[in-house]
Amino acid sequence: GENVEQHPSTLSVQEGDSAVIKCTYSDSASNYFPWYKQELGKRPQLIIDIRSNVGEKKDQRIAVTLNKTAKHFSLHITETQPEDSAVYFCAASVDSGYALNFGKGTSLLVTP
Amino acid sequence: GAVVSQHPSWVICKSGTSVKIECRSLDFQATTMFWYRQFPKQSLMLMATSNEGSKATYEQGVEKDKFLINHASLTLSTLTVTSAHPEDSSFYICSANLLRTDTQYFGPGTRLTVL
Repeated sequence: GENVEQHPSTLSVQEGDSAVIKCTYSDSASNYFPWYKQELGKRPQLIIDIRSNVGEKKDQRIAVTLNKTAKHFSLHITETQPEDSAVYFCAASVDSGYALNFGKGTSLLVTP
Repeated sequence: GAVVSQHPSWVICKSGTSVKIECRSLDFQATTMFWYRQFPKQSLMLMATSNEGSKATYEQGVEKDKFLINHASLTLSTLTVTSAHPEDSSFYICSANLLRTDTQYFGPGTRLTVL
């Protein structure tokens, strides 16, 4: 089955700096890669996603890059703010409508 | 956007009792729903895929007789934890896909504590 590795497990940055979280996946059949943000005790919220036919996608301060050949994808958050502090999960799926395989998560702390 | 609800949001029960958790898609129909379990400071682990009108598909290591899943309608899936024990204490989250989209929407989760 699919195995998604995520690094780092914790990340601390100063407000205004950039944060990068990286994930690798094992199943070459995976073609959908969402990123979720989860605050303590809350549901995961989709923040950005990318399909395998696209190499990069950006939404304001958030961007995701995908290297399908190397089977890795990354989340980039620029101009971080304290409210970006949360746990971020990457995930992979073979297609929409299929279950997501999650990475172990990255706890991001943005200090003022 | 699409909304998925869960009930209850938290439950405390005694060891040996059964607990039912409901997952509803409020403004869309979902032929497939997913059940995940999340232990403190850990990731979401898929337990099973719930298919409307047919049997659920369980992940390896998940006891189907202990975690009963029923998906009787296009908007409701239920997870029943039978004969719950303290090790079943966890955060249970369901999700559903809006048809013809990639996005998987998550419910708010149910915090189960078994004493």
